[in-house]
Amino acid sequence: GENVEQHPSTLSVQEGDSAVIKCTYSDSASNYFPWYKQELGKRPQLIIDIRSNVGEKKDQRIAVTLNKTAKHFSLHITETQPEDSAVYFCAATSNDYKLSFGAGTTVTVRA
Amino acid sequence: DVKVTQSSRYLVKRTGEKVFLECVQDMDHENMFWYRQDPGLGLRLIYFSYDVKMKEKGDIPEGYSVSREKKERFSLILESASTNQTSMYLCASGGVANIQYFGAGTRLSVL
Repeated sequence: GENVEQHPSTLSVQEGDSAVIKCTYSDSASNYFPWYKQELGKRPQLIIDIRSNVGEKKDQRIAVTLNKTAKHFSLHITETQPEDSAVYFCAATSNDYKLSFGAGTTVTVRA
Repeated sequence: DVKVTQSSRYLVKRTGEKVFLECVQDMDHENMFWYRQDPGLGLRLIYFSYDVKMKEKGDIPEGYSVSREKKERFSLILESASTNQTSMYLCASGGVANIQYFGAGTRLSVL
């Protein structure tokens, strides 16, 4: 089955700086890569996703890049704000609706 | 707005008790999922269902069973609760394009 590794496990950034989270996956058939954000005490929510026919996708301050050859994808958050503090999960799937999640990255934005 | 509702936010049970966790979605989604969330381990899939009365094992099905008698409802059953099943349990439903919507979670403590 799919195995997704996520790094780092914790990330502390100064407000206004950028944050980058990286994930690698094992199944070359995977073609959908979502990112979920879970604020403290709340449910995970999809923030951005990318499919294998696209190399990069951007939505305001967040962007995701995908390198299918190397089997890794990354989340980039620019101009971080306190509300970006949360746990972020990457995931991958090969179209069978079963997402394989990474272990999560706890992001803390320091004021 | 998609609504995924889990019946309890907090639950305390005794070792050996039978435990039912209920999840209801209102989006007519085909797919429903049960995850377990533990610190440092991310979201691990216990079971999922792609249709009424259909179920498939996820990555950690041991000690759990599920029931899906109606499309909108997916139940997770702990036949005989054990202390190592103390965890946060998250239900999700998924429609088109693999996007999963999560419930608020049930924090289960087994004493």
